Amino acid sequence: QVQLVESGGGLVKPGGSLRLSCAASGFTFSDYFMSWIRQAPGKGLEWISYLSSSGGTVRYADSVRGRFTISRDSARNSLYLQMNSLRADDTAVYYCARARGSTVPFDYWGQGTLVTVSS
Amino acid sequence: DIVMTQSPDSLAVSLGERATINCKSSQSVLYSSNNKNYLAWYQQKPGQPPKLLIYWASTRESGVPDRFSGSESGTDFTLTISSLQAEDVAVYYCQQYHSTPLTFGPGTKVDIK
Repeated sequence: QVQLVESGGGLVKPGGSLRLSCAASGFTFSDYFMSWIRQAPGKGLEWISYLSSSGGTVRYADSVRGRFTISRDSARNSLYLQMNSLRADDTAVYYCARARGSTVPFDYWGQGTLVTVSS
Repeated sequence: DIVMTQSPDSLAVSLGERATINCKSSQSVLYSSNNKNYLAWYQQKPGQPPKLLIYWASTRESGVPDRFSGSESGTDFTLTISSLQAEDVAVYYCQQYHSTPLTFGPGTKVDIK
């Protein structure tokens, strides 16, 4: 069955860095666009980035552009999010999610990993 | 950016009664090439990730009970739960996938009255 398992979350100080991973299984990873979406505690959902199936197309939300970098390793069936210059308002559960393309919905989500930015 | 709004913020409905959630996009999410609205609905239960319910505004995802339905009128969209069940207690989000940044509505919390 489809599985997306995020890891790498934790407590980090403002200005620090963290790298999230998302391990995919149960489907052909290279067929799917992959996104990161986050949810601050008690708040709604915010899409932050996607990467095309080939890795050739990447998009970011304005809130993270220049600080976060999305990447994928098809050999390892994994998606990554390098987060630099972290701020308190980056505190959230970070989900990875798959989609068949850039203009289709997210049909499967991981369980999420919590990132807390605090001194 | 396309801003998604939802109403109400929350609602409480008796078991077996109808629940209606509204979503509005600040601009069209319709592609004229295929006459489809790029609008999805998700259900998020406490402690769980969102689950896709409806896409193309009115197409039910495989395995989703038929008490869930979506409708559209211009930039106004509606999710209806025809007969609320206890397991439907959740927050419901609409999302446009027409253009980046992909955006979600703020969510509507559904409880049992």
